Amino acid sequence: AQSVTQLGSHVSVSEGALVLLRCNYSSSVPPYLFWYVQYPNQGLQLLLKYTSAATLVKGINGFEAEFKKSETSFHLTKPSAHMSDAAEYFCAVTRFNAGNNRKLIWGLGTSLAVNP
Amino acid sequence: DGGITQSPKYLFRKEGQNVTLSCEQNLNHDAMYWYRQDPGQGLRLIYYSQIVNDFQKGDIAEGYSVSREKKESFPLTVTSAQKNPTAFYLCASSKGAGYGYTFGSGTRLTVV
Repeated sequence: AQSVTQLGSHVSVSEGALVLLRCNYSSSVPPYLFWYVQYPNQGLQLLLKYTSAATLVKGINGFEAEFKKSETSFHLTKPSAHMSDAAEYFCAVTRFNAGNNRKLIWGLGTSLAVNP
Repeated sequence: DGGITQSPKYLFRKEGQNVTLSCEQNLNHDAMYWYRQDPGQGLRLIYYSQIVNDFQKGDIAEGYSVSREKKESFPLTVTSAQKNPTAFYLCASSKGAGYGYTFGSGTRLTVV
């Protein structure tokens, strides 16, 4: 069965510093992987996704993530944090050959704080 | 523009009342989902539907009910059997496994 672990429920960085949010997954078949962002009292917005093409995926707002099969990881990074990046971030996985089973398995989320 | 609309944004329920949360999408997606979100607990799946007139229980279906009579609509009823309904509820839809989900903006339900 698939599972997702996000290391660190709270991460704090200074404005301009590197953002690194960690996500490790477990899957017996090639996965699809996703990162979502949620601002307070809003729905989730897709940041980026990995669907077996390039292992380095670029998303919106300057974020990117690298799929590393050997480490079963899909960490999210941004070179320079901005105050507007403060939000909750969720990693999710689903199966490559999901057929009609399209459910995403979610991590518990990482709350990112950006300090001036 | 296509998207998912959840209404109302805020909802207050009295003890013993049933309330219905609306979710409408114009994305032509087959699959729709309801999640409950509580602080520190991530997203918990309540119900999902892969096709019209069919739906399955998620991880926390007790005290909730749904219907899927139209492709565009997937309303969630929070019944009086749900003892702790205060939470943020999110509706989502999906085109397929590789596309991820599109989310609505959520409904915050509070018991008064």
